[in-house]
Amino acid sequence: GAVVSQHPSRVICKSGTSVKIECRSLDFQATTMFWYRQFPKKSLMLMATSNEGSKATYEQGVEKDKFLINHASLTLSTLTVTSAHPEDSSFYICSAREIQGLYTQYFGPGTRLTVL
Amino acid sequence: GQQLNQSPQSMFIQEGEDVSMNCTSSSIFNTWLWYKQDPGEGPVLLIALYKAGELTSNGRLTAQFGITRKDSFLNISASIPSDVGIYFCAGRFQGGSEKLVFGKGTKLTVNP
Repeated sequence: GAVVSQHPSRVICKSGTSVKIECRSLDFQATTMFWYRQFPKKSLMLMATSNEGSKATYEQGVEKDKFLINHASLTLSTLTVTSAHPEDSSFYICSAREIQGLYTQYFGPGTRLTVL
Repeated sequence: GQQLNQSPQSMFIQEGEDVSMNCTSSSIFNTWLWYKQDPGEGPVLLIALYKAGELTSNGRLTAQFGITRKDSFLNISASIPSDVGIYFCAGRFQGGSEKLVFGKGTKLTVNP
């Protein structure tokens, strides 16, 4: 149980284009999902908290107009990187918390974004 | 900001040896989680701890929620090559939001 998927696993795009990453909880409902960014050999950096049916809460320094988050259902959250630039290249990971969970987060497998 | 101190940063051990790593905080936690991350993958939950003093095992892994609620350790017994990876502790501060705070990770290398 508690499986989270992400799609795509890898994406390469040209500078200036937008990329959408999906995060799905496969066998549980999640009112809250989280989006992280991870740089090589570093720990996870929380970008935003995504709440079903309401606006996402962004961490300080994260541009909400650049990283659009939509949590349309209890099993799906999407992160759209708009007008991507090479510095946006990174490993993006989502996690989901069960409705009944004790704040335990289950992570997706990650999405490797490369912006040329 | 709120931080966790995770140590050691890296470990190089021989197959069959036991491993211990820990995390400490200056603030009280009400949840401690241990994750393992393989290269190019997302973190996988190993053990979740919810009560002070709680000792939980998952196969060869054992973790404890410190009595002071400011620390936790993870032990791996009889290590094997597939234990290689980065181990992260994470926790939620008492009275805090749903956000988790992560340690910087312990990179484990197991020599066959």
